[in-house]
This record gives sequence, C-alpha cells and structure tokens, in this order.
Amino acid sequence: DQQVKQNSPSLSVQEGRISILNCDYTNSMFDYFLWYKKYPAEGPTFLISISSIKDKNEDGRFTVFLNKSAKHLSLHIVPSQPGDSAVYFCAVFYNQGGKLIFGQGTELSVKP
Amino acid sequence: KAGVTQTPRYLIKTRGQQVTLSCSPISGHRSVSWYQQTPGQGLQFLFEYFSETQRNKGNFPGRFSGRQFSNSRSEMNVSTLELGDSALYLCASGRTGVVADTQYFGPGTRLTVL
Repeated sequence: DQQVKQNSPSLSVQEGRISILNCDYTNSMFDYFLWYKKYPAEGPTFLISISSIKDKNEDGRFTVFLNKSAKHLSLHIVPSQPGDSAVYFCAVFYNQGGKLIFGQGTELSVKP
Repeated sequence: KAGVTQTPRYLIKTRGQQVTLSCSPISGHRSVSWYQQTPGQGLQFLFEYFSETQRNKGNFPGRFSGRQFSNSRSEMNVSTLELGDSALYLCASGRTGVVADTQYFGPGTRLTVL
C-alpha cells in the first residue's frame, strides 16, 4: 500500500508557463515534505521542503504548498524553463519512522 | 568537497548470482541509506546505516543485506538474484541520519539481472 502517490507519471509544459506537480499522501503524522529533482544518470537532488506546521514555502521560482486536510502536496515552478525538465519526486518523512518515503515520480518536460 | 560515489555504475548479472554494491559517503557523513528505484515504484527505502549499525530497515526480503565500515563506506549485498531485482540502486549520505533535507544522493548503480 503506497503511502505517497504521484498520480501523473508525466507532465508537459510550455517554457515560461507554470508547472504544477502534485502528490498525495495517506498518513497525517508525517513531519516533513520534500521535493527532489532527478536528471538521467544522476542521483536525486534536494529541491525544496516544507514542515507540517506550514502551508507554503517559497524559494525563487519554486513554491511548495501543503494542504493537510486534503493530505495533498504540490510544487509550483514559475516560470518554467527547459532546464527544469527532469523527474520530480515528492517524499515524506516522519521522525518516528526515521526514513524518507518517496512517490513514484513525475517526469516534467518543458518545451521551448 | 567530493560527492557521494557509487561503484560500479553498471552491472549485469544472471539469476541466482549474488552482487555487492559499494557506496562512499561525503567526507564527514556518518549515515548511509540505500534505495531501490524501479519504473512505476519510485524510490523504495532499503536500509540505513549509522556508525556501522543498521538503524532502519525497509520492507525487503532477507536476500538484501548491507553493512557499514568504520570509515562510513557502505556495501549492499543481494544474494540469489531474481529478475525483479533489476533496478537502479541509490545510496544517500547524511551527517546524522535521514532527517528532512540533509540527504545527498550518489549517481546510482544500474543493476540488470538476466
């Protein structure tokens, strides 16, 4: 039973427009929510995170939104750039479990 | 500062064989976690080692094992390989453990089981 789900395996967006990546989770006890980006032949790299006590965190073009009542996490990239094309993984962490739980990933393609 | 290194980068084995993968964490990091990435499953946590002790374990069969040495380098072993073990195996290092955004991933080892 997957605790973290990214229901869209792929997303295609025009350069300059907004990219919205979504993630749903099942356990309300998670403490942190993170997004990682992965290019081919490289390991995932940390992008942005948010703690469970907040509902928004912004870092440059990247904003993460947390809707705890809906158990939903989203990543907004504005404006999208071709270099943003990668696979994006959402991940959750809870202190008691001591491990990261990842979603299946969404492949973002930003077209010039 | 050197990043996380994993060797080998690519490996081809046949069913029934065993394999050992290696991970060298960032200097000064004492935690190493291992993940399996397969299409459609995302990254699945295998186990985490901290100061030579396994601290957390995921839901994988006993064929998957690991260890960590005093220099924090870690090895992962898979015995009696099955076709379904074909995956990208990633390790991540951290200073103190799996906490939020302090994980740094290596490039992975691509294992193909024929």
